[in-house]
Formats: sequence, C-alpha cells, structure tokens
Amino acid sequence: DSGVTQTPKHLITATGQRVTLRCSPRSGDLSVYWYQQSLDQGLQFLIQYYNGEERAKGNILERFSAQQFPDLHSELNLSSLELGDSALYFCASSATPGGAGDTQYFGPGTRLTVL
Amino acid sequence: GDSVTQMEGPVTLSEEAFLTINCTYTATGYPSLFWYVQYPGEGLQLLLKATKADDKGSNKGFEATYRKETTSFHLEKGSVQVSDSAVYFCARSGRTGANNLFFGTGTRLTVIP
Repeated sequence: DSGVTQTPKHLITATGQRVTLRCSPRSGDLSVYWYQQSLDQGLQFLIQYYNGEERAKGNILERFSAQQFPDLHSELNLSSLELGDSALYFCASSATPGGAGDTQYFGPGTRLTVL
Repeated sequence: GDSVTQMEGPVTLSEEAFLTINCTYTATGYPSLFWYVQYPGEGLQLLLKATKADDKGSNKGFEATYRKETTSFHLEKGSVQVSDSAVYFCARSGRTGANNLFFGTGTRLTVIP
C-alpha cells in the first residue's frame, strides 16, 4: 500500500458526460501528479500540483482540468468525454515540488470506461 | 525532448532464468532514472532508482546501473520467480525543477514454472 488513495476504482459513463476523479496523497506529501495510461499512448503525464498551485503541465487536453485543495487532496475533472478518454488514470504524490531523485508514490488508479 | 525507449515485450522466461530488460533514455540534463513494476490489477510500485551516473539501484534481487556513457538503465535479475510476473516500466525524471516522469512503453514479463 503506497498510502495514496484514489476514488472511485471504476467509472463507466457515456460520451459527452463529465466526471471527477479524486486523489488523496500520502500523509505529508505536498505534490500531486496525474497520469493517464492507455493502450495506444502508454503512460503519460498530465499535470502536477504542489501545495495548491499548478507546477507543471504535460499532455493534458483542454477538456480536462485539475485542482488541489487546501487539505491537499486533488481532483481531476474530465468533460465532454470521448471514447478515446477510456483509460486508467493514476495519481501519484511526492514530498517536494521537484528535484532529482524524489520518489513518486502511485495510487491504485481509476479505470474510466466511456461508452 | 525527454523520452525513454524500452525493450518491447512480452518476455516469457522459465523460473530461475536470467532476466534483462533494456532501457535507454534521452540525455537531456542529468535525470534520475527509475524502474516501476505493475502487478496485475494494481498500481505502479517503485522497484528501484538511481540519481546519478554509475549509481546502482537494487531491490528484491533486481538491479540496474545508471550508465551515462551509453544513456542506459537496464534492469537485471539473476533468477526470476513466478511472482515476478508483471509489467515493468522504465522512467526518467523531467527537467530540473519539475518532477514529472517520462515512462517507457512497459515490458510484460511472464515467468513460467
């Protein structure tokens, strides 16, 4: 158990809908990262927050957004969903905002299926 | 840009065989290098890491050495077990000041008794 929790574990929805994925980092970690794992794109970094502020942005679509709250949990919002958004979404956390060697701990993931 | 190239799978080995999974990275800056493992139905777990050239990461019998001259971080294990069956991901850190990881495509390992 990494200490990172994600809810829900599974999510099934229809095209055009909007969903929210939730992540709670390990106790004491201030950074939260979101990754998408899909069959065609592999594991891709989406976005990072550190202590409530956006820190780095990767291949995140404009239809997707995220935020980190004062209690440090994070939410990833996916809107106008398309079939191609079906994937496993991972959250990870680390202690620092960035730096060589800092370890990211991954949650179990949320599997999103868009029908 | 930052990228990682990983040996394509799947790899099938008999128990107690020697394992090598190749990984090379683009030499932008001085990244940290990682191997993560994903067991069936689970999230990613850090297996080992190395933060500078010539460092050797090791855990659970797995080893990988940070080779700057060949920009490689190959994963090795001398004697695999059935319980090692999983998907293995090589990763590098991003630019200085950011901590996002760039992952390889993953290599599925199946160990048969």
